[in-house]
Amino acid sequence: GNSVTQMEGPVTLSEEAFLTINCTYTATGYPSLFWYVQYPGEGLQLLLKATKADDKGSNKGFEATYRKETTSFHLEKGSVQVSDSAVYFCAYNTDKLIFGTGTRLQVFP
Amino acid sequence: DARVTQTPRDKVTEMGQEVTMRCQPILGHNTVFWYRQTMMQGLELLAYFRNRAPLDDSGMPKDRFSAEMPDATLATLKIQPSEPRDSAVYFCASARQGLLNTEAFFGQGTRLTVV
Repeated sequence: GNSVTQMEGPVTLSEEAFLTINCTYTATGYPSLFWYVQYPGEGLQLLLKATKADDKGSNKGFEATYRKETTSFHLEKGSVQVSDSAVYFCAYNTDKLIFGTGTRLQVFP
Repeated sequence: DARVTQTPRDKVTEMGQEVTMRCQPILGHNTVFWYRQTMMQGLELLAYFRNRAPLDDSGMPKDRFSAEMPDATLATLKIQPSEPRDSAVYFCASARQGLLNTEAFFGQGTRLTVV
């Protein structure tokens, strides 16, 4: 069936380190792909999105490229900050919005 | 500033009581999702509506949960009777679904504790 698989967390990094959070999906058709972020005590917020193959979504220094050949949408950031500490969710949308299990990122000074 | 509004933000209730959670989607959005978030299960899709009609509620325990959209400005999720295992954060999200699927906007959630 349709699903999203994310790497297990927590991911623990020092400030200014490079971040990669892996995400792969299994879906029929051509889903739109998203990364959402959740800060403590809040709802999910859209971080970035891509609607077709080879599209690159970017926001706040984060990037992810829609790779149809590998069915992946990995999240990257070149230099993380303490304020990036949150839970990150990969998601796809063909008609209903399906989320991965989330990856907690902890960034230390 | 358009946003999804959920009420109440927090709810503590005793086992066996009825709980109703409410959601006001963003004006003009035609799709509403209900999710439940727990540490063990992550973010589960319970049900979703398009133009007020239920499209899929397969994620919802049918014996005690019900979801409705009495009008375009209100979605409700009801649990009757509530049980301790229902304790979780319940999120509502809305979207304008069309030919190009767009992102969903989330409310702040209702934190439910059943004791």
